[in-house]
Amino acid sequence: DTAVSQTPKYLVTQMGNDKSIKCEQNLGHDTMYWYKQDSKKFLKIMFSYNNKELIINETVPNRFSPKSPDKAHLNLHINSLELGDSAVYFCASSLSGPTRETQYFGPGTRLLVL
Amino acid sequence: TQLLEQSPQFLSIQEGENLTVYCNSSSVFSSLQWYRQEPGEGPVLLVTVVTGGEVKKLKRLTFQFGDARKDSSLHITAAQPGDTGLYLCAGARRRGSTLGRLYFGRGTQLTVWP
Repeated sequence: DTAVSQTPKYLVTQMGNDKSIKCEQNLGHDTMYWYKQDSKKFLKIMFSYNNKELIINETVPNRFSPKSPDKAHLNLHINSLELGDSAVYFCASSLSGPTRETQYFGPGTRLLVL
Repeated sequence: TQLLEQSPQFLSIQEGENLTVYCNSSSVFSSLQWYRQEPGEGPVLLVTVVTGGEVKKLKRLTFQFGDARKDSSLHITAAQPGDTGLYLCAGARRRGSTLGRLYFGRGTQLTVWP
């Protein structure tokens, strides 16, 4: 009965590799987000999709490409991984409308680039 | 640019003590959320406040939104070891906007010792 799930939970990879993280929510929400949490615990939004349409695209290197096959799924593909990409990546979801800001987070994917 | 400043950054107290965490900004927010994050997990939503001066209580936790909607506080009465975690405030600039962008503070790491 997990609300927002992410896979994998841990990801260790070499610099230069390409990797993907997957997110799924079963809350019936229509908006999904990717956040990055750095080593100092600062959370910053990267992308947001509403009904499969990209609506937020922060200043993120174009090596990061989100994809939303349907409103319950949001994936993140990262090309040519760099050391600085090491962080925890969180997926979140919410329902559009007056409560869009009330967001529910997944457990996170801990990415370590060596 | 850091829109929300949280203080203190770290707080270490004994069980039974009271504490207050602050979240301040020079900007007006349409709503403000408080989350708690435990090690290895994603942030869990505690409360959303939307009206200036609003006070919400969740058992021993009391949340207040400033009259001008620029600041918020979280007060915990008789803290328990189970309250240990990273407390994050997050604000939305425009209620129900099509974007749902949240700006996070850097968090307050609370440790409650038995």
